[in-house]
Amino acid sequence: AQSVTQLGSHVSVSEGALVLLRCNYSSSVPPYLFWYVQYPNQGLQLLLKYTSAATLVKGINGFEAEFKKSETSFHLTKPSAHMSDAAEYFCAVSRRGDNTGKLIFGQGTTLQVKP
Amino acid sequence: EAGVVQSPRYKIIEKKQPVAFWCNPISGHNTLYWYRQNLGQGPELLIRYENEEAVDDSQLPKDRFSAERLKGVDSTLKIQPAELGDSAVYLCASSSDTSNYGYTFGSGTRLTVV
Repeated sequence: AQSVTQLGSHVSVSEGALVLLRCNYSSSVPPYLFWYVQYPNQGLQLLLKYTSAATLVKGINGFEAEFKKSETSFHLTKPSAHMSDAAEYFCAVSRRGDNTGKLIFGQGTTLQVKP
Repeated sequence: EAGVVQSPRYKIIEKKQPVAFWCNPISGHNTLYWYRQNLGQGPELLIRYENEEAVDDSQLPKDRFSAERLKGVDSTLKIQPAELGDSAVYLCASSSDTSNYGYTFGSGTRLTVV
């Protein structure tokens, strides 16, 4: 069965510092991978997704993630944190070729950005 | 384009009472999902519809939960009777192309059972 693990339920960075949110997946076949952001009292918004051969994926708001098969990882990064980045971030996985759109989410990481 | 609309935004009920949530997906989106998000956790799929047909309801607790999607548009999720453990955010999402994961989530309904 597929699963996804987000290391660190809370991450705190200073404004302007590097953001690194960790995600590892468990799957016998490389899955599709996603990062979503959730602001307070709002739904989830897609940041980026990995569904093709390009292992470095660029998303919205300056975020990017790199798929590393050897490490079964899909960590999310942003070079310089902004106060508006404070939110909860979810990594999600879906079975390649599933075509149902069903997502399995990690437990989430709350990003705090300090001035 | 209007997004996925859910109502109510918040609901507080006493245990053993019934409750219903409503979702209006994006026009033209054939696939509709209901997810439950417990506090401090990621969303978990409850049910998926393709048009008016529930094609995956394996995670829906059928003893107390029910859902419908009349005419393949709006959907209602119901809990009867509610239990304390049902307190969560219930998210609706819709998609026009499941193969490309073109999801749009609604803002959710936060349910508190007291």
